[in-house]
Amino acid sequence: AQSVTQLGSHVSVSEGALVLLRCNYSSSVPPYLFWYVQYPNQGLQLLLKYTTGATLVKGINGFEAEFKKSETSFHLTKPSAHMSDAAEYFCAVSPGTALIFGKGTTLSVSS
Amino acid sequence: GAGVSQSPRYKVAKRGQDVALRCDPISGHVSLFWYQQALGQGPEFLTYFQNEAQLDKSGLPSDRFFAERPEGSVSTLKIQRTQQEDSAVYLCASSSIDRGVGKQFFGPGTRLTVL
Repeated sequence: AQSVTQLGSHVSVSEGALVLLRCNYSSSVPPYLFWYVQYPNQGLQLLLKYTTGATLVKGINGFEAEFKKSETSFHLTKPSAHMSDAAEYFCAVSPGTALIFGKGTTLSVSS
Repeated sequence: GAGVSQSPRYKVAKRGQDVALRCDPISGHVSLFWYQQALGQGPEFLTYFQNEAQLDKSGLPSDRFFAERPEGSVSTLKIQRTQQEDSAVYLCASSSIDRGVGKQFFGPGTRLTVL
């Protein structure tokens, strides 16, 4: 069975600092991996996804993630945090159709 | 509409009542998914439709949960005899891909509170 572990339920950074949100997955087959963001009272929005090909994936709003098979990781990064990045972030893996989500990481950004 | 819509946005039910939650997917999207998101948790898969066919209902927690999509567009998730543990946000998502891993567009969810 596939699963996702997000390390750290809450991450706090200062505006302009590096954002690093950690995600490790478990999968018996080559995984499809996703990062979603959820703002309060809004639906989940796709930031980026990895299916095949280049392991460094660039997404919206300056986020990117790198698929590392040897480490079974798909960490999300952004070089410089902005106040508007404060939200809940979910890593997900897919066996082919439905998504299996991690528990989420709340990102707080202080000025 | 431009996105996935869900109604009602908020629902309060007394324990034992039946509820119906509606999802309007993006027009033309073949695939439709329902997820349940408990407080402080990530969404958990409930069921999946391809057009009007319910291809996977392995995530439905009990036989009190029932979903349908009779014309391959709007979907309804029905919960009978609601229990307090049913309190959660119910998310609907649609995708234009009929197989494989397509981009899922999520609605804002329906927050169900069972008293």
